[in-house]
Amino acid sequence: GAGVSQSPSNKVTEKGKDVELRCDPISGHTALYWYRQSLGQGLEFLIYFQGNSAPDKSGLPSDRFSAERTGGSVSTLTIQRTQQEDSAVYLCASSLGGQGINQPQHFGDGTRLSIL
Amino acid sequence: AQSVAQPEDQVNVAEGNPLTVKCTYSVSGNPYLFWYVQYPNRGLQFLLKYITGDNLVKGSYGFEAEFNKSQTSFHLKKPSALVSDSALYFCAVRDPNNRLAFGKGNQVVVIP
Repeated sequence: GAGVSQSPSNKVTEKGKDVELRCDPISGHTALYWYRQSLGQGLEFLIYFQGNSAPDKSGLPSDRFSAERTGGSVSTLTIQRTQQEDSAVYLCASSLGGQGINQPQHFGDGTRLSIL
Repeated sequence: AQSVAQPEDQVNVAEGNPLTVKCTYSVSGNPYLFWYVQYPNRGLQFLLKYITGDNLVKGSYGFEAEFNKSQTSFHLKKPSALVSDSALYFCAVRDPNNRLAFGKGNQVVVIP
């Protein structure tokens, strides 16, 4: 079966540009998460969507970061005016959520973002 | 706040020997604990979880983990390591807001 799909797999862009990262969760998964993985910071939570509820944005590092989830499925993470410290691997995960809240999160292979 | 600690940076083990990757946790309330493995340029793969029940949890690829409440530990184990087990291993705890808090990760190197 299809897993979590992320695109692009790699993105190189110049400082100051905006970037959009896409995540296609596993079909039927109501919960979707974004994490950031970097050498100095390890794995950091960014944002969490559960069904139609308001997202938990508590992990977003600045107002340059935003995310949306359309139709309860695909999600886009947008970084505006990118900075070099935004360079990292951005991981998306999905899980059943709801009654299946203790089910594991399933991760995509990530988008490796490099800011020149 | 819920957190986990992985005290070692790297674990080296000879192929065929037992493998242990350590994790301790700090939670308020019941712990919901997970182990994930990450291969180069890949996302995290779920290995096993502890929610409730038996303290010995069996997972994928021959891995198991022992939940120890008195020592607040959840160490990952494999009786006989394979070279293909060389990877980055993460312990994680689910917080009350359903987010995962990860440890820093342990690089496991299995020596042929």
